[in-house]
Order: sequence, then structure tokens, then C-alpha cells
Amino acid sequence: GEDVEQSLFLSVREGDSSVINCTYTDSSSTYLYWYKQEPGAGLQLLTYIFSNMDMKQDQRLTVLLNKKDKHLSLRIADTQTGDSAIYFCAESNRGFNKFYFGSGTKLNVKP
Amino acid sequence: GAGVSQSPRYKVTKRGQDVALRCDPISGHVSLYWYRQALGQGPEFLTYFNYEAQQDKSGLPNDRFSAERPEGSISTLTIQRTEQRDSAMYRCASSQGTGGGQETQYFGPGTRLLVL
Repeated sequence: GEDVEQSLFLSVREGDSSVINCTYTDSSSTYLYWYKQEPGAGLQLLTYIFSNMDMKQDQRLTVLLNKKDKHLSLRIADTQTGDSAIYFCAESNRGFNKFYFGSGTKLNVKP
Repeated sequence: GAGVSQSPRYKVTKRGQDVALRCDPISGHVSLYWYRQALGQGPEFLTYFNYEAQQDKSGLPNDRFSAERPEGSISTLTIQRTEQRDSAMYRCASSQGTGGGQETQYFGPGTRLLVL
């Protein structure tokens, strides 16, 4: 099956930038997603990128995709304590409805 | 509804009992998905429906697990003869269209199942 890997933890100070990384193995991945999970809540879609793009920016969020290296990153500018959560990377293929998720990166933002 | 809802939010059961987990998708959403999430892991695909048709059930671990969506709206995931290894968070998601990978999936809060 498809493998999606993420580092488990990231700790940053409030106001700094956070960069969460993800690698995947399926070269036919078409869409790549970032989801945020807060305690007691469902997964919230943050952003996604189509595989023919290499960058997408949405307010404080910047997604970078290196398709050659199968590497995806999420940069959060001016990280706030409210950004503390678990961030999941996920990928899917065109024509298929299965999402493959990484294990999640727990972001801790220190005041 | 405004979002995907799931019930119950927590379920504690004894080994060997059957459980039924309910998912109510966003109104009008065609596709519905079930995932299982173990502690410290990402969600793992179980099955999905387009309308009332179960399109893919390849992620169901064994034949104790089944799902239905008889009227193309609410779905039930049933686990028969539960085992301790079935303990996990069960998440439901829905999407507006019939999929193709580009459909945004909206997730519910999940049902935390604990099998004693």
C-alpha cells in the first residue's frame, strides 16, 4: 500500500514559523492534503494541492510540493498558540476515493 | 446538517458484543467514508459509499465488520463479536460529489470505541 511518513513532533515559539514535513511513496498521487486535528474535534481540512503545482499559499499557510522527491511541506507563518494541534498529511489518486494518511505531526506552540 | 455527526461519541462494550456506529453526513453529500484511527496513528480507510452503493470495502479488516447506507444518507458501521483489538476511534467523512480524489472530505468528530 501507499506509505505516507511524517515526523512525530514539532515545537516552536509563538510568532515563529513552523514547517511540517511529509514524504509519500506513491508516484501517482494526484492530490495532497493537510488536515488539522484538535482534541475532541474531527479532522479539519486546511488546504490541498494538486500534483501539477509546486506551491500554494493561503493566508498564513504555504504548501510546497517537490514531486520528484515526493516531499510535501506545510509552512505556518507567525505561529500562534491556537495552531497547537496534530497535523496530518494525506494523499489520494485520481479516480480513487481512498485517502492515505500519515501518522500525524504534533505541533506544540510555546508562548 | 451543518457538519458530519456521529453517534455515540463514546462506546464501551464487552468483548463478544456487537456494536453499531452511526454517521449522519452533511446534507446532500453523495459520498460517505469510514475510517479507523488507532492511537497515535492517522486514519485508515475502511470503506466508502456513493449514494447507497458500497463502492469499496477493501479496508474492512475482516468479515466481522460491515457497513450499510440503505437510503443514501445515514450510514451504520457494525462490528460483530467485538475483540479488544477493535478498540479505536472510528471516523466518518462525507464529500459532495462522487469522488475522483479531488473531493474534499469533511470529517465528523468520531466515535471512540473501547472493547473490554
